[in-house]
Amino acid sequence: DTGVSQDPRHKITKRGQNVTFRCDPISEHNRLYWYRQTLGQGPEFLTYFQNEAQLEKSRLLSDRFSAERPKGSFSTLEIQRTEQGDSAMYLCASSRDRFIHEKLFFGSGTQLSVL
Amino acid sequence: GQQVMQIPQYQHVQEGEDFTTYCNSSTTLSNIQWYKQRPGGHPVFLIQLVKSGEVKKQKRLTFQFGEAKKNSSLHITATQTTDVGTYFCAGHRGSQGNLIFGKGTKLSVKP
Repeated sequence: DTGVSQDPRHKITKRGQNVTFRCDPISEHNRLYWYRQTLGQGPEFLTYFQNEAQLEKSRLLSDRFSAERPKGSFSTLEIQRTEQGDSAMYLCASSRDRFIHEKLFFGSGTQLSVL
Repeated sequence: GQQVMQIPQYQHVQEGEDFTTYCNSSTTLSNIQWYKQRPGGHPVFLIQLVKSGEVKKQKRLTFQFGEAKKNSSLHITATQTTDVGTYFCAGHRGSQGNLIFGKGTKLSVKP
């Protein structure tokens, strides 16, 4: 396994700007997840893909957030019109799909700071 | 918001002491997973429990899943400095794909 790769590792942006993050899952992992984590909190689920299909999306996710996985491989997470409350670590994870519930492999995350 | 509660939020122990963290869900879970996150790192999978009342051991770590599948615990015997980190429980509800995490228990170990 080459591991889950996320880019960039850090992003500093001004309020109101758009940002996009990329996640490359472990090859042959069909499931891909996006989570958000703030200091002292557990990872908070954002959305989940099975291949290219976005199967679940958190109700907490505003319309400013959108995620894609066009070819069922890498995924992007875009945040439009960023707000200071969006500052967090954005974690991507992937898993196999042999069973209903599989263990997740997390990437190192993208730390977003909105000024 | 998150529906899986973990206590305590922090635990400071002397090296060699035991440590336990507890996880409670407001609803029945189909499974429990435990992850460890080292300072500055990302969550790393430790174990999964699926059956009611299941107990699994990994060296000094003992994991339990409650009979009602609403609670779980992680017990570490004779802690070491390498055990430092935040321990998260997480579970699925039914066949839903989103894995719900607790807020974690941060363990510090004094040598």
